[in-house]
Amino acid sequence: EAGVAQSPRYKIIEKRQSVAFWCNPISGHATLYWYQQILGQGPKLLIQFQNNGVVDDSQLPKDRFSAERLKGVDSTLKIQPAKLEDSAVYLCASSLLFSSYEQFFGPGTRLTVL
Amino acid sequence: SQQGEEDPQALSIQEGENATMNCSYKTSINNLQWYRQNSGRGLVHLILIRSNEREKHSGRLRVTLDTSKKSSSLLITASRAADTASYFCATGYAGKSTFGDGTTLTVKP
Repeated sequence: EAGVAQSPRYKIIEKRQSVAFWCNPISGHATLYWYQQILGQGPKLLIQFQNNGVVDDSQLPKDRFSAERLKGVDSTLKIQPAKLEDSAVYLCASSLLFSSYEQFFGPGTRLTVL
Repeated sequence: SQQGEEDPQALSIQEGENATMNCSYKTSINNLQWYRQNSGRGLVHLILIRSNEREKHSGRLRVTLDTSKKSSSLLITASRAADTASYFCATGYAGKSTFGDGTTLTVKP
């Protein structure tokens, strides 16, 4: 069974530039999550999708971050414009159902904002 | 906040010893999960314990949950160098999981 795929694996940008991350979850998984993990901290949920609908985006900085999950499969997370404090690893995860709780994580995208 | 808080922040032991890490939380939960993160395999789900369970085992892992004290512990028995990683607890409630900041475990050969 293929795992959660993410790209790119690494990205370096200047502040005020834009960046986009892509995630393809495990086939058949209805729930998709985007997390931000700052060095030395645990993952912080940015947004949670159930199929192509948003379940929770309460911690997404909506003035600069946006995410979509078209057709309820893969998803993109965008930052525009980036700030220095956005430097982090962005993790995508999926789970079979909303109530499954067991999440499968992708390898993450390490973003450095200079 | 439902965020779990792990204790200790860092733990260093010799191979073959047992490792115990704790997680405390503040509000009601449906379940509590433990994850491991290392550079080789990323973040991996280890075990989930439901709020009506007190103890659960998986291989060398033993998890306990005390809902009256709002705390959980993860015991890794007979540790190996490959267990070197960060371990996170995550509290599950209403379909959402909230992660703590983890315990960094170093197992010396």
